[in-house]
Amino acid sequence: GEDVEQSLFLSVREGDSSVINCTYTDSSSTYLYWYKQEPGAGLQLLTYIFSNMDMKQDQRLTVLLNKKDKHLSLRIADTQTGDSAIYFCAESIPMDSSYKLIFGSGTRLLVRP
Amino acid sequence: EAGVAQSPRYKIIEKRQSVAFWCNPISGHATLYWYQQILGQGPKLLIQFQNNGVVDDSQLPKDRFSAERLKGVDSTLKIQPAKLEDSAVYLCASSPRDGQGEPQYFGPGTRLLVL
Repeated sequence: GEDVEQSLFLSVREGDSSVINCTYTDSSSTYLYWYKQEPGAGLQLLTYIFSNMDMKQDQRLTVLLNKKDKHLSLRIADTQTGDSAIYFCAESIPMDSSYKLIFGSGTRLLVRP
Repeated sequence: EAGVAQSPRYKIIEKRQSVAFWCNPISGHATLYWYQQILGQGPKLLIQFQNNGVVDDSQLPKDRFSAERLKGVDSTLKIQPAKLEDSAVYLCASSPRDGQGEPQYFGPGTRLLVL
């Protein structure tokens, strides 16, 4: 089946690290994505990882993938107030002649000053 | 590079009325997507176009929703007649191709409220 689960809410203090977790069920996932959504805005692509990788680092962002457990995490180092937003995990799964994204419900990150 | 454009940004209608949304993807992007995002949920794919052909519309409620992509560029999504449960944000996204790993770039969305 196709299902992506995320925790609803995370609160951290400014300067700390944030870790947002995601689990997915479809073993045919090829790419996994993290998107950020600020209030009233569309989704902004943050980073993505191919399913045969276990880690990807991009400046303050680190993505870890445990394919055996179907677990994905996003770590934000030195979290800033501007990082407050909703973060969506998404998996890309193959269809007949294409691919589609299945999104989780999002994790709301609140960064306290 | 200009991003994905959508209009209107907000729309309020009464149930049983009709509404249309417009999307202009990033120039040169072959693939266009329409998503519905209900409050508190992640986006759900409604329809996917590759150029001006439909790739996937399995989640589109075809009794009331329709979409077209004129000349493989702009797209419109229509709801006729609207129901209360159609209240949501309608997001348009585009990607360069429809290949594995191609990221999707989203517009700001149209927020629809059906009263």
